[in-house]
Amino acid sequence: EPEVTQTPSHQVTQMGQEVILRCVPISNHLYFYWYRQILGQKVEFLVSFYNNEISEKSEIFDDQFSVERPDGSNFTLKIRSTKLEDSAMYFCARGKGLGVRDTQYFGPGTRLTVL
Amino acid sequence: SQQGEEDPQALSIQEGENATMNCSYKTSINNLQWYRQNSGRGLVHLILIRSNEREKHSGRLRVTLDTSKKSSSLLITASRAADTASYFCATVETSGSRLTFGEGTQLTVNP
Repeated sequence: EPEVTQTPSHQVTQMGQEVILRCVPISNHLYFYWYRQILGQKVEFLVSFYNNEISEKSEIFDDQFSVERPDGSNFTLKIRSTKLEDSAMYFCARGKGLGVRDTQYFGPGTRLTVL
Repeated sequence: SQQGEEDPQALSIQEGENATMNCSYKTSINNLQWYRQNSGRGLVHLILIRSNEREKHSGRLRVTLDTSKKSSSLLITASRAADTASYFCATVETSGSRLTFGEGTQLTVNP
């Protein structure tokens, strides 16, 4: 199965700055997800996105976070004012097909370092 | 304890041996998925087993699911050094579609 691609692979930013992480999914997939993994910890769900709307979000996904698919292709995660604790690997994932609760395929991740 | 707990936390075996990793969870699930992660890399999907299934095979992988015990196991047969990685189980509940991951098992296969 083809995966999604993510850019950049590594992003370094200063605390308080805004960052935008991008995911380029394969077309015809309706379900998209963002997860993060703080170094040495387990993978945590952030948000799911279906039909251009947030369908589910976790308690981590507060007002500092937003997602959108502005042009029908790229799927972005924006962190408005980064904190040190936002340093993590951020993974985009797509659902396998048209069904919810199906296999999720992950991108290679973006390593975000907040200084 | 949390949804999707794996044991053991770490497992070290010799090439050719079998590796068994276990996962327990707490809620009702629609399916359970196993993923592999090489150090610092992305997550590779291995296998999905639905709540109405008891066993699935894929190549050298065998996954079982016991919904009465809320547990699953992943068996890798005839292990290879290239199987060295972290293995995670992740559950999808009956409502919603988020994956809830466990802490993972670090498998080391020694050549």
